[in-house]
Amino acid sequence: DTAVSQTPKYLVTQMGNDKSIKCEQNLGHDTMYWYKQDSKKFLKIMFSYNNKELIINETVPNRFSPKSPDKAHLNLHINSLELGDSAVYFCASSQVDGKIYEQYFGPGTRLTVT
Amino acid sequence: GNSVTQMEGPVTLSEEAFLTINCTYTATGYPSLFWYVQYPGEGLQLLLKATKADDKGSNKGFEATYRKETTSFHLEKGSVQVSDSAVYFCAQNNAGNMLTFGGGTRLMVKP
Repeated sequence: DTAVSQTPKYLVTQMGNDKSIKCEQNLGHDTMYWYKQDSKKFLKIMFSYNNKELIINETVPNRFSPKSPDKAHLNLHINSLELGDSAVYFCASSQVDGKIYEQYFGPGTRLTVT
Repeated sequence: GNSVTQMEGPVTLSEEAFLTINCTYTATGYPSLFWYVQYPGEGLQLLLKATKADDKGSNKGFEATYRKETTSFHLEKGSVQVSDSAVYFCAQNNAGNMLTFGGGTRLMVKP
């Protein structure tokens, strides 16, 4: 029973394309997140989202947009992909209202832009 | 702004050696602090956490104490195993419970 799942695991695409990465959590959590891990392993928050509020890291280009069809899903859509977008993207979830702050991470999606 | 600084790796130890990975933070307010571990090719797993000053988080033989006076959350283990080889990330939570991570420390344990 995977708690946080992401698809696809690997994504190879060309510059200029638009792509989406899907994330689902079956933990009943109220908040989901997207993180980017670069080639040096640095992890940076991109978005935090629950049904009340979207918080965007100001360094994230507006080519990136989170889309949430329901509480259990938070997809990441990327327009006009650039070489610098190549990274591993991690989805995570937590229960904030209940003040259980630890986040549970998905296995990651390795995006390669050529 | 809020930040987390941890010692650069790699840290290379022999099996059964004592481990310390330093972590310090800057924050407005009183965040919760975490250590996450990333094994090769996998996602991040929560290793331990502490939610207030003087709390000690512990799991799988690892420990870290939330020290407000030194703004630190150093990770320790008395006797490391080869299976502990991984990248360790210190983190704090901020507005919206978003995590700010340190740069990660790679630990390599040799038999």
